[in-house]
Amino acid sequence: KQEVTQIPAALSVPEGENLVLNCSFTDSAIYNLQWFRQDPGKGLTSLLLIQSSQREQTSGRLNASLDKSSGRSTLYIAASQPGDSATYLCAVHSGGGADGLTFGKGTHLIIQP
Amino acid sequence: DGGITQSPKYLFRKEGQNVTLSCEQNLNHDAMYWYRQDPGQGLRLIYYSQIVNDFQKGDIAEGYSVSREKKESFPLTVTSAQKNPTAFYLCASSMTSGSHETQYFGPGTRLLVL
Repeated sequence: KQEVTQIPAALSVPEGENLVLNCSFTDSAIYNLQWFRQDPGKGLTSLLLIQSSQREQTSGRLNASLDKSSGRSTLYIAASQPGDSATYLCAVHSGGGADGLTFGKGTHLIIQP
Repeated sequence: DGGITQSPKYLFRKEGQNVTLSCEQNLNHDAMYWYRQDPGQGLRLIYYSQIVNDFQKGDIAEGYSVSREKKESFPLTVTSAQKNPTAFYLCASSMTSGSHETQYFGPGTRLLVL
């Protein structure tokens, strides 16, 4: 059964710093990996989707990489801002029986002004 | 505006009562999903539907039921058999259930037990 782990569970950094969030998964047979942002009490906002054949995706100050063979992904946030404060969730689409996503528990990020 | 709506935002359930959570999308998506989120836990899949009149159980379907009579609607019923229903429920949809598709999420419904 696919398991997704996110490290660290929480992170607090000063504004302006570059930072990296980590995601690992146990079964490398994935179709894609998706990074989401969740604000308190809200739904999820999709940030980046990386297909299994891709190595990275970029959107603005965000860059996500995927190393399928080692079961790892990173989300790089450049020049962090207080508005980036949220919980970041990593999810993989493994297919198999259920057609939904398998999620990690998230990294709670606080950017200090 | 295109998107996914969920109602109500908060729902209270009494012991032994069935309650239904609404999920509507106007994105013309074929696939829809229900997830449950507990504090400190990742989201877990309850049910999903790839197309109208079809749905499959996810990882934690016990105590829940769904229907998919219309493309735009995928209501979730939390039955009295679900002994620990307090959670944040999220509905999602995607164009198809294909592996390349992004899932889009609604704002969620928080269910509390009285």
